This record gives sequence, C-alpha cells and structure tokens, in this order.
Amino acid sequence: AQKVTQAQTEISVVEKEDVTLDCVYETRDTTYYLFWYKQPPSGELVFLIRRNSFDEQNEISGRYSWNFQKSTSSFNFTITASQVVDSAVYFCARGNMLTFGGGTRLMVKP
Amino acid sequence: SQTIHQWPATLVQPVGSPLSLECTVEGTSNPNLYWYRQAAGRGLQLLFYSVGIGQISSEVPQNLSASRPQDRQFILSSKKLLLSDSGFYLCAWTRGRGSGELFFGEGSRLTVL
Repeated sequence: AQKVTQAQTEISVVEKEDVTLDCVYETRDTTYYLFWYKQPPSGELVFLIRRNSFDEQNEISGRYSWNFQKSTSSFNFTITASQVVDSAVYFCARGNMLTFGGGTRLMVKP
Repeated sequence: SQTIHQWPATLVQPVGSPLSLECTVEGTSNPNLYWYRQAAGRGLQLLFYSVGIGQISSEVPQNLSASRPQDRQFILSSKKLLLSDSGFYLCAWTRGRGSGELFFGEGSRLTVL
C-alpha cells in the first residue's frame, strides 16, 4: 500500500510560536494530489488545501503555508504565529482514492 | 449549495446488535461517496466507496457492509457489532472522478459495549 506518514503524533507549542507539521508520502503515480485537512474537537474534517503534483510552488494563505518537495515526497504544513484556535488534529492525505496519514495532534497553549 | 448529513450523531450499542448509519448528500448529483472510520487516537481508514447506485467497493474486510440504494444516499450497516467496531465514522463525498476535495459529514460516534 502507498502510505502517507505523519511522524509527529503530537506537538505542543506556546501561542505565537511557529510550528511545522511533517508529511511524507509514497506513490507510484506520476500525477497525484495531496491534501491537508483539519479536525477540530467537534470532529468534522475541514479542507485546508489541495496541491497537484505538477505544481511545486509553495503556497501561503494567511498564517498557513505549505512546502511541497517532490524530490523528497514531502508536503509539509507550517502555521506561523500559532493561536489557541489552531489546536486540532491535522491530516495529510494523498489522492485519488484518498489515503490519510495518521494525523498530528497540535496543541497550542496560551 | 451542497450539504452532507449523517445520522445518528451518537450511538451506543451492545455487542452483537445490528447497526445502520445513514448519510445523504443534497445539492449535487452522481457524487462519489465514502465511509471512513477513525478509531480512538488514530488516523482515518477508508472502509467503502461508491461511484454509483448499487456500486460498492470495500477497502477493508470486516463485518461491516455498505449500500447505496439511491444516488445521494449511502448506508453503513452491520448484522452483529463487535467491540472493535467502536469509533468515529465519517461519510464523505466528492464531485465526479479524480481527486477532488472531500466534503465530510459531521460524523457518527459509535460505542459498542
């Protein structure tokens, strides 16, 4: 099976710190999509980003940024100036039939 | 706009009892539908997916089954629940083929005692 690995099971930071969530994936496909989802305590998964394998440009959206490195099969997610509301479990996933990583629980303390 | 709903939100069932979780999508047609399970403290595991009415693919062998009696309805069932079936079940849909964004329902928390 082509896995998605999120090696960090849990990260704890203090508010306003920057934090990077790692994601490494396996694939035999030449074209594929990568995703990040956020799961707040309510449980519902919230879509954050989709990235096509052809597009290796890094993307920034407010305090969120993503670093896609095809050479190392990594798609890391950075939150700048973290806030308590960022506390959640974050999942990296690879398409077409989405395979999810195990998730990283981020706790941001005030 | 499209919406997805699943119910019940919370369910406590004894071992050996049947299960039926329902999921419906509104505002779109011919969606791809998915059931995922999230065991406590773990990641998401794809259980079933469906590309059309009556078309079900199973990713993991288990005592669960899925059915799609209507285009926008997806049902997860079991004839006899096991303790290991406890978890958080999420229904999701995508538009058509390919790797579109997955839209998730609110989730159903199942506890088997």
